[in-house]
Amino acid sequence: DAKTTQPPSMDCAEGRAANLPCNHSTISGNEYVYWYRQIHSQGPQYIIHGLKNNETNEMASLIITEDRKSSTLILPHATLRDTAVYYCIVRVGDGGATNKLIFGTGTLLAVQP
Amino acid sequence: GAVVSQHPSWVICKSGTSVKIECRSLDFQATTMFWYRQFPKQSLMLMATSNEGSKATYEQGVEKDKFLINHASLTLSTLTVTSAHPEDSSFYICSARATYEQYFGPGTRLTVT
Repeated sequence: DAKTTQPPSMDCAEGRAANLPCNHSTISGNEYVYWYRQIHSQGPQYIIHGLKNNETNEMASLIITEDRKSSTLILPHATLRDTAVYYCIVRVGDGGATNKLIFGTGTLLAVQP
Repeated sequence: GAVVSQHPSWVICKSGTSVKIECRSLDFQATTMFWYRQFPKQSLMLMATSNEGSKATYEQGVEKDKFLINHASLTLSTLTVTSAHPEDSSFYICSARATYEQYFGPGTRLTVT
C-alpha cells in the first residue's frame, strides 16, 4: 500500500472549516483514499473514502486532486468534539482478504474555542 | 454505521496470567477481523488478520504463540494474551470488515502488573 504524509498537528477555530491535507504521491490506480479519526482512548471512526471523484457525506468532504497524488479532508464547521487524530490511509479497495488498513502517524487536530 | 463491540473495556491482570479479549460484530457478518495494538502517544500497529474458520496471519515481529487469535464465527473473534508481562500493557483494538468498509471496536485497555 502507498505511504501517506500528513502534518503532525493543526489548529482550527471552533465553527470554522478544518482542512486536513494528505500527500500520497505513490498511490496506485486501484487504491482508494480512506480517512479515519481517533478521539482520545477510543477506537478509530470511519469518516469517508474516495477513489478519484470528490466525495461528501454528513461528516466531511474529501477533495482528491486530479493526479490523485494528494487529498484534503474538510470538516465544514469544526466543533470541540472534532478534536482528534485524523488518519489518511490508502488501500486497495476491492475488499480482498489480504487488504488491510495500515495507520501512519496522522494529524492531531485541535479545535480551539 | 456498523457496530463492533469489545469485552472487556479494561482489564488488569498479574504478570504470568493469560487474558482473553472478545470482539464482536453486532449487526453484520465479518469474514475478516483485524487486531491492532496501540501504545501511548503512538499510532495503531496491526498485529494480525484473521479470517473466519482459518488460522490468523500475523504481522512481522508479532509472536503468534503469545497472541492467540480465534475467529470461530462470522461475528466473533478473540485475542488471548498468554503469559502476560508488563510490556504487554497496551490498548488493544479490534476491527471487522463488512464488504469494503472496516469498522473498529472501542478498544480494551490491558494493564499487566
